[in-house]
Amino acid sequence: NAGVTQTPKFRVLKTGQSMTLLCAQDMNHEYMYWYRQDPGMGLRLIHYSVGEGTTAKGEVPDGYNVSRLKKQNFLLGLESAAPSQTSVYFCASSPRPKTGGGTEAFFGQGTRLTVV
Amino acid sequence: AQTVTQSQPEMSVQEAETVTLSCTYDTSESDYYLFWYKQPPSRQMILVIRQEAYKQQNATENRFSVNFQKAAKSFSLKISDSQLGDAAMYFCAYRSAVWYEKLVFGKGMKLTVNP
Repeated sequence: NAGVTQTPKFRVLKTGQSMTLLCAQDMNHEYMYWYRQDPGMGLRLIHYSVGEGTTAKGEVPDGYNVSRLKKQNFLLGLESAAPSQTSVYFCASSPRPKTGGGTEAFFGQGTRLTVV
Repeated sequence: AQTVTQSQPEMSVQEAETVTLSCTYDTSESDYYLFWYKQPPSRQMILVIRQEAYKQQNATENRFSVNFQKAAKSFSLKISDSQLGDAAMYFCAYRSAVWYEKLVFGKGMKLTVNP
């Protein structure tokens, strides 16, 4: 019972490099999210998706792009990493409302990204 | 836009005692959901308890209970008989029942449990 799986768990990037974080969920959830967690800032929403092929901007989308080509996967891309993007990134998923699948979001284990 | 405020960044409690974590939120909606998540040092986000706004009865899960005051827009978490394993970051979260994609978190509160 994997739930939400994030790949990789840790990564160090040099400024200007690009990378993609992968989120995979096996619960057939419609909604998927990417958050970043910084000390004293809580979880801030980067981008989210309400279904396959759809994405939308959250609170802090600048410098990130996302794609949801398959329902089970939600990719977060950094095209040109900056030190300000050093953070812990969390992916989450949840079922469509009023489907009996609950109302909470399920989280991956996080990815610690350091940009030097 | 909805906001969630956790005004106390840190708290401590003695093992076996009771502690209450505060959370307030701002919304103009009448139907929504509230959550408390726990994040231990492992970093995993774990759901502690949930509350539906239309339910007047406060939610309870074993040693964890909430005091939901809808008019005051307050959602506090009470941990009874605190255990060392309760030491963690705790996040309060709000989810709209209408704009369901909106899932907003507070800044979190670090709870220390002293033996």
